[in-house]
Amino acid sequence: SQTIHQWPATLVQPVGSPLSLECTVEGTSNPNLYWYRQAAGRGLQLLFYSVGIGQISSEVPQNLSASRPQDRQFILSSKKLLLSDSGFYLCAWSKPASGDNSPLHFGNGTRLTVT
Amino acid sequence: AQSVTQPDIHITVSEGASLELRCNYSYGATPYLFWYVQSPGQGLQLLLKYFSGDTLVQGIKGFEAEFKRSQSSFNLRKPSVHWSDAAEYFCAVGAASGTYKYIFGTGTRLKVLA
Repeated sequence: SQTIHQWPATLVQPVGSPLSLECTVEGTSNPNLYWYRQAAGRGLQLLFYSVGIGQISSEVPQNLSASRPQDRQFILSSKKLLLSDSGFYLCAWSKPASGDNSPLHFGNGTRLTVT
Repeated sequence: AQSVTQPDIHITVSEGASLELRCNYSYGATPYLFWYVQSPGQGLQLLLKYFSGDTLVQGIKGFEAEFKRSQSSFNLRKPSVHWSDAAEYFCAVGAASGTYKYIFGTGTRLKVLA
């Protein structure tokens, strides 16, 4: 069966510090990978998605970036965090788009607080 | 353009009462629809999905949802709510072919009274 791991679970970082959140998927190959952010009391905002190694699509211009160095690894980064980057970050995967519109499967999330 | 609307931000029901959470979508073709549940501080868990066929779909934890094309709705129901059902519920439309983007509603927070 497939599993998704996301870490760390919680993170407190000062303004201006760098960020690296990691997500890995097991039990599947060539998944589509996603990063979402969920601000307090709000819905899910799609930040990035990737359909293959090195292929990143950005949905929202901001100081965050994403990378996919391996097939089942997805990293969310920032060189300098802003207060507005605080939130709950969720990684998700789905089967490759091949006519099968599979659901998204989410990790347990990372609670980021920028102080 | 695709969109998902969950008209109710908060809903409060008594334990043992029935539940219906509303979801309306806008989509140009046959939609792929999902309901997710999120407990505080957790990720989203898939409750059920609709792709085609029977318009009444059964999910986990005793939930079901009915797809009504004429009303562009996909409402989630449960006949008898348990205190552990208190959570936030999200309706979503699956990615249109080639877009890879899933569209989520803003969520409905369910409170259950003992």
